[in-house]
This record gives sequence, structure tokens and C-alpha cells, in this order.
Amino acid sequence: DAKTTQPPSMDCAEGRAANLPCNHSTISGNEYVYWYRQIHSQGPQYIIHGLKNNETNEMASLIITEDRKSSTLILPHATLRDTAVYYCIVRVAGGGGSQGNLIFGKGTKLSVKP
Amino acid sequence: KAGVTQTPRYLIKTRGQQVTLSCSPISGHRSVSWYQQTPGQGLQFLFEYFSETQRNKGNFPGRFSGRQFSNSRSEMNVSTLELGDSALYLCASSSRSGGNEKLFFGSGTQLSVL
Repeated sequence: DAKTTQPPSMDCAEGRAANLPCNHSTISGNEYVYWYRQIHSQGPQYIIHGLKNNETNEMASLIITEDRKSSTLILPHATLRDTAVYYCIVRVAGGGGSQGNLIFGKGTKLSVKP
Repeated sequence: KAGVTQTPRYLIKTRGQQVTLSCSPISGHRSVSWYQQTPGQGLQFLFEYFSETQRNKGNFPGRFSGRQFSNSRSEMNVSTLELGDSALYLCASSSRSGGNEKLFFGSGTQLSVL
């Protein structure tokens, strides 16, 4: 089972910030939080990941609480093209050189509206 | 750099047949993993290969198998197809096998079993 909990759907107005929450209360100390999104009929696209510090890249910002039990993905200026299912994933650390598989939950369907 | 390439894009088979799907990772990537996506179960991990060795396996029956070649290209095979095998099969590649890597996904192969 997925180790994360996300709201099933959210709406956001175009041009506004989209804040997508994620709970991962059982996260272990060496597990990363990853965010991917999937636009209809395409493969998931990597957005960002972090361990305990906040992270920012050209796509988004990731805010992780100090106790690491939850995080928020922020899309600063949402566009219609950001409409997708967003997955928050706790990366299962692999052993013996394995990358560890991603355990996807049901994600949050973000609808950006004009 | 070309992305992850999966062929074919669409496939129709009948029950009892077998099928082989192909995945070419991003140049230089040595780790390939496979996922199955269905409306009911979502995205589920199948297996992962690194340097031609299977490193990790999900909870799927033995009808699902895979392999990786010396050029890192990977194939997955499903024998004795069942109606429930109808799904989008996604391949993902990364540069190394570890716990802190981005996965890059292909667009998938949509398999329909009639």
C-alpha cells in the first residue's frame, strides 16, 4: 500500500499558486519524498524530490515539515497545462544496489481553470 | 537527448496469447523498471533491471517476466494473456540504481486483451 495520503481532487485558478498537500506520517529517516505528475495518456513526469530541506526547481517548490510527516508541492503560477494527476511518493529505499520501486497512491487530480 | 522510448504504442491481443513489449532507456541510463497501470489498481511496480540483472520484483505472477540487454534496452513478456492484463505498461529509466534518483518514464504501451 502507498505510504502517502492525498486529497483526491483540487481546483486552482489559472495564474494562481497551486498548493498540493501530502501526508506521509510513517516516513523513515532515509526515505525521500518524490512528486510526479501524469497528464492524460502520458507517462508520469518527475517534478521534484527532497529529504528534509525545502527544495525548489524550475517547475515547483517542495516544502517538507520539520517532523517530515507531511509536505506541500507548490506550483507558483498554475497554467492550464498543469492540469494532471499529481502523485506524492515516499521512495522505498532499495537494497543490494536496487533503486527501490515507487509505490504510487491514487494521487490528486488538479484541475486548473481559466 | 532522446527520452525513454516504448514500442509498440498500442497492441491488441487475445486471451491465451503472449506479448513482448520493448523499452529503450535514455542514453547512458543503466537502470530500467516496469510498471502496470490500470483504472482499478493504479500504477503498480512490476520489476527493475540494472546491468542486465533483475534487482527488484513486484507482486505479479510468473507469467510476467523481463530481461535487460547489454545495451540497457529492456523487454517484458506476458505469457498466457488474461483479460485482466489489459493495461498501460510503462517503462522508466534512471542513470544509476540507488535510492535517490529521478525516474524518467516513457509514454507506455497500451495493451488490450480481447
